[in-house]
Order: sequence, then C-alpha cells, then structure tokens
Amino acid sequence: ELQLVESGGGLIQPGGSLRLSCAASGFTVSNNYMSWVRQTPGKGLEWVSSIYGGGGTYYADSVRGRFTISRDNSKNTLYLQMNSLRVEDTAFYYCARVGGATKTDLDSWGQGTLVSVSS
Amino acid sequence: SYVLTQPPSVSVAPGQTASITCGGNNIGSKSVHWYQQKPGQAPVLVVYDDSDRPSGIPERFSGSNSGNTATLTISRVEAGDEADFYCQVWDSSSAHVVFGGGTKLTVL
Repeated sequence: ELQLVESGGGLIQPGGSLRLSCAASGFTVSNNYMSWVRQTPGKGLEWVSSIYGGGGTYYADSVRGRFTISRDNSKNTLYLQMNSLRVEDTAFYYCARVGGATKTDLDSWGQGTLVSVSS
Repeated sequence: SYVLTQPPSVSVAPGQTASITCGGNNIGSKSVHWYQQKPGQAPVLVVYDDSDRPSGIPERFSGSNSGNTATLTISRVEAGDEADFYCQVWDSSSAHVVFGGGTKLTVL
C-alpha cells in the first residue's frame, strides 16, 4: 500500500529553521517526482517545491532561497529544509507524489504536518 | 504567472448535479486536475488529466476542459460530497504547480 508520512513540524520563532521529513512506503521516491504543498489554516492550497527524477528542483517565489527540497534514496524519504522562517510560513505542510500519464497531478498525499512560526 | 480562478462557493440540493468551474487563459491546452478536501483531511485526487478518474473514485465525478474553462461535474450529489474542491495545472513556462483558490461545495 502506498503511504506518505510527514514529520518534523512544530512551533518555531521567526528566523528559525526546521526540517520536514516525508517517509514513503509502497513506492520508490527516487523513481518519482515529488512535491511539497502547504495550506494556511482556513485557506487554500499553495505549491511550495518539487523535485524531479533527475534531481532537478523547483520552488515557489515565496520560498526560493530559504527552503531546500531533497531526498535520501537509502531512506526512501523526502525532505524540506526551511530556513529564515517567517510568520507567513505558518501552515500545514503536505508531501505528495506526482503521478499520472502527464506527470503533473498529485496522486497521493500525506496527512500533513503543522508548522507554526510565532514569537 | 498563470492564474486559475474558481467560484468561492457552489450550493446544490441532494440528488442534483453540481458544476464547479476553473478558469484560466487557454486552459484547454493544459491538463487539469481536481482535488477534494474534507475538513481536517488531506486533499484527494478525484479527476486527473481533465477527465480521468483514479481508482476508487465514483463515476459520479467527471471533468471536462475546453477553451478558457475546465469544469468538474458531480452527478447525483450526496451529503458526503460536501467539501472544498481545488483545480490544478502544471505551468510549463515557469515550471510551477498552480492551484485554483478553491470552491466550497455545500449540499443543501
């Protein structure tokens, strides 16, 4: 069974750093495109970052230069390193697998982990 | 950057048909995907590549895409369909995933 489990969220002060993890089972992370999506409570979905099979990475303008997406093939785990955190980064963070014939949809999602940035 | 526009809310009576639109410049040239999100839960893919359904999604969910508008149609709406729905595309010019603002479906 395909499963994604995020961890690493919590309460952090502005300017701080956190690393989110997304442990995958039922498929191989390195063979798939993967993405992070966030959602401020009560608001809509916002794409954060994606990593592709060859290792290419892409970021939303709001996080570029502060966040880094990566993966550990030996642990079958996706990561999101978040530095210089801001209050506006407060959100639920979901990891998702990119699937489909066109490789553009997010066919499986984790349950999310909450990041709260506050002083 | 590419923008997707959805109505904030749609209301429908049980048993009727709900249509949720997603507008974008020449969206008909892109593959559109739809997600259902119930309160406290992660989003679930209900339609991909304009009109295909993942396994386990009822046939009541269908999609279309042409011109500047994509549409998610839910037939014979049930109380359990009440949720937020989001459309999504891949913007190749920026290499970004783009979501619509979401539509809250209310079953009267």
